[in-house]
Amino acid sequence: NAGVTQTPKFRILKIGQSMTLQCTQDMNHNYMYWYRQDPGMGLKLIYYSVGAGITDKGEVPNGYNVSRSTTEDFPLRLELAAPSQTSVYFCASSYSDSGVGNIQYFGAGTRLSVL
Amino acid sequence: GENVEQHPSTLSVQEGDSAVIKCTYSDSASNYFPWYKQELGKGPQLIIDIRSNVGEKKDQRIAVTLNKTAKHFSLHITETQPEDSAVYFCAASGWKGGSYIPTFGRGTSLIVHP
Repeated sequence: NAGVTQTPKFRILKIGQSMTLQCTQDMNHNYMYWYRQDPGMGLKLIYYSVGAGITDKGEVPNGYNVSRSTTEDFPLRLELAAPSQTSVYFCASSYSDSGVGNIQYFGAGTRLSVL
Repeated sequence: GENVEQHPSTLSVQEGDSAVIKCTYSDSASNYFPWYKQELGKGPQLIIDIRSNVGEKKDQRIAVTLNKTAKHFSLHITETQPEDSAVYFCAASGWKGGSYIPTFGRGTSLIVHP
């Protein structure tokens, strides 16, 4: 099992460019999440998905879009990149139902700089 | 929504000492409280968790305590070692409105001096 795989690991964008951060999990988890991590600010939820075809906004969704066409993949799209989107992005997945706690498994992260 | 406060933001200890990190939460519906460790350049990884029907849980040098009445939970690390140096995150989550979404604290940077 590879777990949660994120690509790329690093990326530098110019202001106004677009890109897609890729995330794939091989654990057949129903939930997937995107977080951004800024220094001293913890993990802020951008978007999440409770299953294929279902997505919802988290705490900081502005400037981002997601899709979930399969159980395995949950790409994050940045349109018109801005310096405020400079951050480390983490994808996570979990198996969740009403009866168990949702242990999250995180990818290694994508470090993005917008200049 | 849920609000999780975590203290301290930085904790510096000598090797062999104990370390305690504390979190409070606001939503009484939260019933699952995990702790994650994030080493430099890596994603967070679960180290221990506790559910609301349990008051304490131990795993070797690590323990977590939960006080539901006061809405706070704590991570205890005994006999700290340099490899315990990392950022630790607490989280609170519960089944609300058809989804199970955790809220994280801001993290504690633990430094263990040899």
